[in-house]
Amino acid sequence: DAKTTQPPSMDCAEGRAANLPCNHSTISGNEYVYWYRQIHSQGPQYIIHGLKNNETNEMASLIITEDRKSSTLILPHATLRDTAVYYCIVYGFGNEKLTFGTGTRLTIIP
Amino acid sequence: DAEITQSPRHKITETGRQVTLACHQTWNHNNMFWYRQDLGHGLRLIHYSYGVQDTNKGEVSDGYSVSRSNTEDLPLTLESAASSQTSVYFCASSETGMTEAFFGQGTRLTVV
Repeated sequence: DAKTTQPPSMDCAEGRAANLPCNHSTISGNEYVYWYRQIHSQGPQYIIHGLKNNETNEMASLIITEDRKSSTLILPHATLRDTAVYYCIVYGFGNEKLTFGTGTRLTIIP
Repeated sequence: DAEITQSPRHKITETGRQVTLACHQTWNHNNMFWYRQDLGHGLRLIHYSYGVQDTNKGEVSDGYSVSRSNTEDLPLTLESAASSQTSVYFCASSETGMTEAFFGQGTRLTVV
C-alpha cells in the first residue's frame, strides 16, 4: 500500500487559507489521492480527491505536484468549524481499501 | 436519503461475552469497512468486504469476524470480548470504482 506522510499538527488563523501538505512518494500510476477529515469524535467526512490534475469543490482545493509525489489541501477561508484531523489517503483500482495514517490535527485560531 | 447507520451507539459488555455490532447502508455500495479508533490514535482497519460473500482481514483483525450475506449489512462480531477491545468502532461504505466513502456515526464499546 502506498504510504503517506503528514505533519502531526498545524495552526491557522481564522479567515486565512489553511494549506495542509502530504507526501506520497511511492504512489503508483493508478492511485488517487483522497482527503478526509474527522471533526471531534464524528465519523470521517470526505473532502476531495484527485489523480493528477488540480481539483476544486465547494469545500477545498487539491494541488497535486507534477510528479504526483506530494499534494496540498487548501481550505481557502478557514473557519473555527474547520478544526479537525485531516487525513491524506492514497488508493487505487484493485486496492480500494481505505487505510488511514495519523493525519494532521488542524487548529483554527480565532 | 441514503445513509449508513450503526447500532448500538453505545454498549457496555463483560469480558468473554460475544458482541455483535451492526452496520447497515442503503446506498447499495459494494465496499464496506470496519475500523476501530482508540483515544489519540487514527483509524485502524479491522475487516473489509468488496461484495456479498467476500470478506478480508485488515491490520487488526485478531478477535474479530465479519460476514457479508447481503449488500446492505456487514455485522462485526467480537467472539470473546477483551478489555483491549474497548474502543470506538466506525463502519464505512463506498462504491466500486474509487468514489468517496461514507462513514457511520460510530459505536462506543466498553468491555469491563
